[in-house]
Amino acid sequence: QKEVEQDPGPLSVPEGAIVSLNCTYSNSAFQYFMWYRQYSRKGPELLMYTYSSGNKEDGRFTAQVDKSSKYISLFIRDSQPSDSATYLCAMTPGLMNRDDKIIFGKGTRLHILP
Amino acid sequence: DSGVTQTPKHLITATGQRVTLRCSPRSGDLSVYWYQQSLDQGLQFLIQYYNGEERAKGNILERFSAQQFPDLHSELNLSSLELGDSALYFCASSVGTSGGSLAKNIQYFGAGTRLSVL
Repeated sequence: QKEVEQDPGPLSVPEGAIVSLNCTYSNSAFQYFMWYRQYSRKGPELLMYTYSSGNKEDGRFTAQVDKSSKYISLFIRDSQPSDSATYLCAMTPGLMNRDDKIIFGKGTRLHILP
Repeated sequence: DSGVTQTPKHLITATGQRVTLRCSPRSGDLSVYWYQQSLDQGLQFLIQYYNGEERAKGNILERFSAQQFPDLHSELNLSSLELGDSALYFCASSVGTSGGSLAKNIQYFGAGTRLSVL
C-alpha cells in the first residue's frame, strides 16, 4: 500500500459547482497536511496547510482532515475556470527529525468547464 | 512568482550525457530541495540541503548528485542519462531550521526544468 493515494482524475465539473478532492494515507504518524495547486508548466504552490484533525477555511477553499479514517479533503466552493489545475495533497509526520519528509500524492487534474 | 529561480527551463540531450540544473532559492531561505516529477511517479523527493550541508536523501539515483554553494544556490547533476530520466525537475526552498514548525519549513517551488533525454 502506498503511503499517500490520490485519484489522478481528470475531474471535470461545471463552473460554480462544489469540488471535492481527496487523499487517503496509511502512515498514522502524519500530523501536518497540505494542499498544493499546480498549473500547467508551473511549479506547485501551497494553497493551505492544517495540523492534525479538523477543518480550515480560506476563502472558497476548505481543507478537512479525518485522522481516524486517514482521509483528507479539499473543497472548492463556487468553482471558477481559473481553478483548473492539478491539486496535490502532501503530508508529513512533522519536521523535527532529519527523516521527516513531506510525501506528496500524485495529484488530481481538475477541469472547471465554463 | 515564488521567488525560486530555476535554469534552464528546458533541456534536450542524448542518452549517456551529463547535465547540470541550477536553482537559486528565495532570499533568506537556507534549505533547498530537489524533486523529480513524472506522469507515472508523481512528485518524488530526491535530496535536501540545508545551509550547504546535505540534510536528507530520498529516491536519488547514484548517477545523480547535488550540492549547495556558500551563496546558497544549488546544482543538481545528472550523469549517464537514460531515457527514463526524462521528467520535470523542481527545486524548492524553505527558511528551514534544524527542527521546527511547519511554517518555517513550507516549501516554495520554482517553475522547474523540463529534461528530455533522446
